[in-house]
Amino acid sequence: EVQLLESGGGLVQPGGSLRLSCAATGFTFSNHAMAWVRQTPGKGLEWVSLIGSVPDYTYYADFVKGRFTISRDNSKNALYLQLSNLRAEDTALYYCAKTPIKDGTNLWECFDSWGQGTLVTVS
Amino acid sequence: EIVLTQSPATLSLSPGERATLSCRASQRLSDNLIAWYQQRPGQAPRLLIFGVSSRATGIPDRFSGSGFETDFTLTITRLEPEDFAVYFCQHYGHSVTWTFGHGTKVEMK
Repeated sequence: EVQLLESGGGLVQPGGSLRLSCAATGFTFSNHAMAWVRQTPGKGLEWVSLIGSVPDYTYYADFVKGRFTISRDNSKNALYLQLSNLRAEDTALYYCAKTPIKDGTNLWECFDSWGQGTLVTVS
Repeated sequence: EIVLTQSPATLSLSPGERATLSCRASQRLSDNLIAWYQQRPGQAPRLLIFGVSSRATGIPDRFSGSGFETDFTLTITRLEPEDFAVYFCQHYGHSVTWTFGHGTKVEMK
């Protein structure tokens, strides 16, 4: 069974930093692109960042470029998101999400498993 | 930037009824990269449909997706009690971005 367990959220002041982690089990982590998606009551679901199965490929939403850094450690089955220069509008529940593989092909078009999220509050 | 507009915001139905949820894209989509998710209270989103009409693993066949270009639909043929939830559509763009709609809440009448 696929499990994604996020941690590292908390209360931080504007301009501060946090490092989110996601521990993955139940699948071959190194084969899958992974993403962070955040959710707020006001803006709904927002894609934040994705990293390919090969860590050289990283992508960011425009609103976080230069402030957040995604990374992964395939030896530890772990995904990370370093958040810096945080703003009040970054307050959200941050989900770790997995992309599927179908017929041997990585599908980046959707997210087939999600963690329960870790709450980041910037205030 | 593609914007996905979901309607209605809330759908009030009874168990056993048919639910039809709409997701309209601000531009014609030449791909089939529309997905649908269900989110129950206090839970993470769950993938229902990808590629406009393909059901994800373990999703009952009462859920179906359809549409093309700008208009996409999620249909739940006979609502079960566990189907009362919020539903989101999502598009994957070739500029490597993922866009979500704001959701439709299916509530029990």
